[in-house]
Amino acid sequence: DAGVIQSPRHEVTEMGQEVTLRCKPISGHNSLFWYRQTMMRGLELLIYFNNNVPIDDSGMPEDRFSAKMPNASFSTLKIQPSEPRDSAVYFCASSLRGVAGVKGEQFFGPGTRLTVL
Amino acid sequence: GNSVTQMEGPVTLSEEAFLTINCTYTATGYPSLFWYVQYPGEGLQLLLKATKADDKGSNKGFEATYRKETTSFHLEKGSVQVSDSAVYFCALRNSGNTPLVFGKGTRLSVIA
Repeated sequence: DAGVIQSPRHEVTEMGQEVTLRCKPISGHNSLFWYRQTMMRGLELLIYFNNNVPIDDSGMPEDRFSAKMPNASFSTLKIQPSEPRDSAVYFCASSLRGVAGVKGEQFFGPGTRLTVL
Repeated sequence: GNSVTQMEGPVTLSEEAFLTINCTYTATGYPSLFWYVQYPGEGLQLLLKATKADDKGSNKGFEATYRKETTSFHLEKGSVQVSDSAVYFCALRNSGNTPLVFGKGTRLSVIA
């Protein structure tokens, strides 16, 4: 399996521009998570989906952030308009709900390093 | 609520030294506990896990024991290598496919 795939790996943009980050989870996984990592705040959960449905988006910092999961194999995280303080590494992770309450491992993608100038 | 507290870094050790990274947690119920490792420029990888009290997770020479009485899951390795230099995250998950709750991470640097 190719693992969780994220694109682009690096994105440099100017303040005010729209940014779209993409994630392809591991085939067969039914949960998907978006995290943001910065030096100051560490690793923060932004939003997660179960079976393509957003379950908790309380970590999304502002209305400028939105996430979608139109099908089981694709998700996007969009920032519009972007600001310099959005500069961070954004990680996508996926997992499989196990049977009998087994707590499945989360597999992380390589991340997208976003720089907003 | 659920939270994880781990020792602040950075931690700098000489090769073959003994490593301990402390991790304590607060959680309702009976969480599963994890250690993830992040090598430079990469995403997080699961290092080891434990799903119930007194379980010991182990991998690549690293170990951690789920201690319910002290709500701890300390990471240990008897002899570190330069290749172990990375950021280590302690995490918990309470149920099903709920998100992981991470500590802030501890950066380890091992020098030859």
